[in-house]
Amino acid sequence: NAGVTQTPKFRILKIGQSMTLQCTQDMNHNYMYWYRQDPGMGLKLIYYSVGAGITDKGEVPNGYNVSRSTTEDFPLRLELAAPSQTSVYFCASRNRGETEAFFGQGTRLTVV
Amino acid sequence: AQSVTQLGSHVSVSEGALVLLRCNYSSSVPPYLFWYVQYPNQGLQLLLKYTSAATLVKGINGFEAEFKKSETSFHLTKPSAHMSDAAEYFCAVSDRSFSNYQLIWGAGTKLIIKP
Repeated sequence: NAGVTQTPKFRILKIGQSMTLQCTQDMNHNYMYWYRQDPGMGLKLIYYSVGAGITDKGEVPNGYNVSRSTTEDFPLRLELAAPSQTSVYFCASRNRGETEAFFGQGTRLTVV
Repeated sequence: AQSVTQLGSHVSVSEGALVLLRCNYSSSVPPYLFWYVQYPNQGLQLLLKYTSAATLVKGINGFEAEFKKSETSFHLTKPSAHMSDAAEYFCAVSDRSFSNYQLIWGAGTKLIIKP
């Protein structure tokens, strides 16, 4: 069981470039989340999804977009990268009725 | 709105000493409470959780936490620190309806173990 898989693990982007962070889970979980983690700030929710075709904004959605065409996949899109988006990004999933969230290993993104 | 406060961004203890990581929450009703651990360059892993049963919760790797409603606290303890416990620890809270389906996270406490 792979759990939650994120790719890539590391990426350097130039200002204004775009990229997609991939997230896949093989646990058939309904809920999926994207967080960013900045030093001393804990985790901030960017977007979440409660099922295929349904997404909603979290606390810090500006500059990001998501889609959920399947239960398994929840990609995060950065359209115009900015230095403020330098962070570590985590994808997580959770099953309906359960309280534990499972996390991927993270993507460390640097925008220069 | 709910919030979580972790006292101390860094805590340093000697190997074999007691580990105490503090977490206080603000919520109008007893929430669900969680401790997650993040080892270097890894994702987050659930250590333990309080959902409504016993107020003393035991988790993995010898950690435990006690829910104290009167103090709105959920401190994490381990009787004897091991070098492998060096990691960052996050406290998180959610209301019982999981409204907005999200957790509110503390800023994290980095645990340093001195040999």
